[in-house]
Amino acid sequence: DTGVSQDPRHKITKRGQNVTFRCDPISEHNRLYWYRQTLGQGPEFLTYFQNEAQLEKSRLLSDRFSAERPKGSFSTLEIQRTEQGDSAMYLCASSPLPGTGDSGANVLTFGAGSRLTVL
Amino acid sequence: GQNIDQPTEMTATEGAIVQINCTYQTSGFNGLFWYQQHAGEAPTFLSYNVLDGLEEKGRFSSFLSRSKGYSYLLLKELQMKDSASYLCAVKDSNYQLIWGAGTKLIIKP
Repeated sequence: DTGVSQDPRHKITKRGQNVTFRCDPISEHNRLYWYRQTLGQGPEFLTYFQNEAQLEKSRLLSDRFSAERPKGSFSTLEIQRTEQGDSAMYLCASSPLPGTGDSGANVLTFGAGSRLTVL
Repeated sequence: GQNIDQPTEMTATEGAIVQINCTYQTSGFNGLFWYQQHAGEAPTFLSYNVLDGLEEKGRFSSFLSRSKGYSYLLLKELQMKDSASYLCAVKDSNYQLIWGAGTKLIIKP
């Protein structure tokens, strides 16, 4: 397994355009998370899936953001009508179910991220 | 509200020891994590503490005091490649990770 893969690594778009990011998690991992990170800040939780079910979505997430994980494997994060404030690194992470492996730590493994610049 | 505090930036010398502190106020506690993040790269897992005490892993050690809401990451025999941001994160009562803003560590020769 090559770890968590994200595509594209970089995306530059004009304000008002839609963008979509893809994440391929570690194949044995049931949970998949999306985070947003801006310079000098820690990751900000957006949403997470357990298999194909979206279990939680941040209250801070506007309705322009939507995420899917249709077959419980890869996931997509779409941002509609992008705004300059959406410029950030979008990180995907995956983990096994709690209580399995890692002494219950449920460690997240992150992908390299997709950097979005909205002009 | 929930809060994780860690210094914004620290500087240390190659070969020395540095301690990065993290204090937290969260609704419940289900473990504390330290991650390393090099500029432009993904965070990578360093350590996990759920019980009080010191966890040692090679040059890195992490300490937890739940009663004080306090942890530190200790890096020994610093190398230039240790220049990175170090993120403290706490899993709250809902098993959600609350992240600090990270401590940027600068290693000087």
